[in-house]
Amino acid sequence: GAVVSQHPSRVICKSGTSVKIECRSLDFQATTMFWYRQFPKQSLMLMATSNEGSKATYEQGVEKDKFLINHASLTLSTLTVTSAHPEDSSFYICSARGSQGVRNTEAFFGQGTRLTVV
Amino acid sequence: ILNVEQSPQSLHVQEGDSTNFTCSFPSSNFYALHWYRWETAKSPEALFVMTLNGDEKKKGRISATLNTKEGYSYLYIKGSQPEDSATYLCAFDSWGKLQFGAGTQVVVTP
Repeated sequence: GAVVSQHPSRVICKSGTSVKIECRSLDFQATTMFWYRQFPKQSLMLMATSNEGSKATYEQGVEKDKFLINHASLTLSTLTVTSAHPEDSSFYICSARGSQGVRNTEAFFGQGTRLTVV
Repeated sequence: ILNVEQSPQSLHVQEGDSTNFTCSFPSSNFYALHWYRWETAKSPEALFVMTLNGDEKKKGRISATLNTKEGYSYLYIKGSQPEDSATYLCAFDSWGKLQFGAGTQVVVTP
């Protein structure tokens, strides 16, 4: 299958600082990328959907000014957690799809990022 | 927020036994139902993408069925092996988005 690389895998940051997480599709063009957050024992919660070259679509309840998503190229999307607070500590994971307009294609996932805000 | 539910939350299976578990999803605005396997310390990997009511798909000892009218899918593991231990996620594909259930954690003991 296709490869999606997500970095960093773990990050610890101080409260009030910003953290950027990168998600790269290594061998295909990702027309759509998804960002998810997972709380312990819960499902992957969709935060936002981004299509290359356009603004991300955020899910209800997700602060767009807090979680900045950029999808500037067909191989790279970034999630920046701005002014991080301890409650932002969580597991964040990206996934990517190619074939724009074909909705039933599988998604390929990054390895996830464990963010701890102290 | 769409309701995608999986049951049971976890199950323990003896090696060699068969098992199955459920994913329920909304029956409207359906494009596809995905199944993923997520092993510890790895990325989730797609098992199946199912689109048609009545679909049955198979990959080795793992198979899945789909009922879009009543909004459920079953995943079956035949003759479970320790390497089948993982969390199995289903995802409802609608309007270009994938909404996941909480997963069924399967532990296969020798």
